[in-house]
Amino acid sequence: NAGVTQTPKFQVLKTGQSMTLQCAQDMNHNSMYWYRQDPGMGLRLIYYSASEGTTDKGEVPNGYNVSRLNKREFSLRLESAAPSQTSVYFCASSEVRNTEAFFGQGTRLTVV
Amino acid sequence: DQQVKQNSPSLSVQEGRISILNCDYTNSMFDYFLWYKKYPAEGPTFLISISSIKDKNEDGRFTVFLNKSAKHLSLHIVPSQPGDSAVYFCAATNTGTASKLTFGTGTRLQVTL
Repeated sequence: NAGVTQTPKFQVLKTGQSMTLQCAQDMNHNSMYWYRQDPGMGLRLIYYSASEGTTDKGEVPNGYNVSRLNKREFSLRLESAAPSQTSVYFCASSEVRNTEAFFGQGTRLTVV
Repeated sequence: DQQVKQNSPSLSVQEGRISILNCDYTNSMFDYFLWYKKYPAEGPTFLISISSIKDKNEDGRFTVFLNKSAKHLSLHIVPSQPGDSAVYFCAATNTGTASKLTFGTGTRLQVTL
């Protein structure tokens, strides 16, 4: 089982460029999440999708958009990247609300 | 406003000894708590959890204690092993509302030989 797969693993963007981070899970989970991890800040929730067809803002949604393409896939889009979005991004999924979440390996994004 | 706090950024423990990682929370609506372990260049992995109806949960070498009145939980690792060296995140949620975890800032545990 692959679990939660994120692509790409590394990315360097110039300020103003756009990109989409892809995430797919093969555990038939209903809920999916995007977090960012910054030094000294822990993991902060950007957006989440409690079930297919729904998305909601988390703690730090500004500058991001998401799409729950189907039950397996949840993408995160940066329309105009800024240096403040330099971070490590983690996608996660969980079976039902509020149980343990399974994380992908992360995407290290640098915006220059 | 940090609702989940891990005030110790790092901890060093000798192999074989007990490691105690602490976590405090401010939101009284939290009723489910989890600990995650993270190695460099990997995603966090679930370690152990506890519901607010319990005050202790044990899984092998790992035990989590919850003190609701103090809004405090702790993770005990006994005995500590070098492979336990990682960053540990405390997380909390409310099972009756939206499905999301609030994380602490993490504690880096180093187990020395």
